[in-house]
Formats: sequence, C-alpha cells, structure tokens
Amino acid sequence: GAVVSQHPSRVICKSGTSVKIECRSLDFQATTMFWYRQFPKQSLMLMATSNEGSKATYEQGVEKDKFLINHASLTLSTLTVTSAHPEDSSFYICSALKTYNEQFFGPGTRLTVL
Amino acid sequence: AQKITQTQPGMFVQEKEAVTLDCTYDTSDQSYGLFWYKQPSSGEMIFLIYQGSYDEQNATEGRYSLNFQKARKSANLVISASQLGDSAMYFCAMREALYNTDKLIFGTGTRLQVFP
Repeated sequence: GAVVSQHPSRVICKSGTSVKIECRSLDFQATTMFWYRQFPKQSLMLMATSNEGSKATYEQGVEKDKFLINHASLTLSTLTVTSAHPEDSSFYICSALKTYNEQFFGPGTRLTVL
Repeated sequence: AQKITQTQPGMFVQEKEAVTLDCTYDTSDQSYGLFWYKQPSSGEMIFLIYQGSYDEQNATEGRYSLNFQKARKSANLVISASQLGDSAMYFCAMREALYNTDKLIFGTGTRLQVFP
C-alpha cells in the first residue's frame, strides 16, 4: 500500500494558540486529501475535503475559520486549528486519495489543548 | 438515517477460528464502493479490503473476505484463522458516486478481541 505521513503525532498546546498539522503522501500524488476527527471510542467524522489548488470543502457544522485547510501541493495538505480550546482536543486523521477506490490514511495526530 | 450500520459493538473470537463482522448500508446509488479498515490501538487506519457495487465476485485479500449480498445491502467482513494481532477496531465504510465525491462514510465500528 501507499504511505501517508502526519506530523506531529502528538501535540499539547495552551488554550488560545494555533496548531498546524501536516499530512503528506510520500510515494504518490494526491489531488484530494481528507481530514477526519475522531473522539475516543467513536467513529471517524469527516471534517473537510482538501483539493489541491482550490478551496477545501467543509462538512456541515465544521467551522472553516477555525479549521483552516491548505492543500499547497500534490503531496501536502495542512490543517491549522486556530485559537484552540480544550473542546478541540481530539485525534485528527488525514487520508490521501490515490485512486477512486484507494484511500490511504495517515497515522493520526493527537491534539491536547490545556 | 444511518448510511452504514455496524450492529456489533464488540466481538470475541478464539485464536485460529473464523469471525464475521457485520455491516449493512443504505444507498439509492447504483454505483458505490464498500471498504473495511482496521484500527489498532495505535490509531492508524489500515485498509483491508474493497468491494465495488458492480463486482460480481466477493472480494478476498489473504485471510480477509467480504461477503457481499447486494439485495440485502450487506457487506460483512470475514476473517479466517484469527490471530492475536487481529484484535482491533474494525470500520466499514462506503463511498457513493451519486454526489461525485470520493469521501467515505464510516460506520460506528466493531471492537474485535481475539483470545488464545
């Protein structure tokens, strides 16, 4: 399978600060990447679809001004959690689309906001 | 309404036995794809198997097979010869072509525990 990396794997920050999470497809180009959020013992919730060279498409209920997504190249998408608060603490996972039926996931980033 | 339903929150199986994890789906689309992912405690999502709605044969990948019953809208995952390392969360997911998007809709997952 293909390889998708995420950085950082864990981050702890103070309330009010911004945090950037990177998602990279290491061995293929991905015009489309996805960002998910997962609460403990729950399923993955799609936050947004990241398209290279265009604006991200956000799911209903997701604040686009709070969760900024930039898909600057065919191998990199970033999610910035702006003015983070404790309720933003979660596990964030990205995925990259290789073909229409091949979606590979990153290892996830655990965000803790104090 | 739930698009993907996994009715088993937890399953136990003895090592070397086979286990079936249930998944039913709801779609009005004729073209769709069904996926199974494994999520160990480390958190990464590992792709296991894919079944397209037009595929006539059930998908198989090593010890994993997908029991696809289109009329019943079910896509159960069968794991044969269970191993201790199979203990993890398992998620069923669907991609619909109807909305011209490749996004996946996930079920709530089933936690599988394999015991010696």
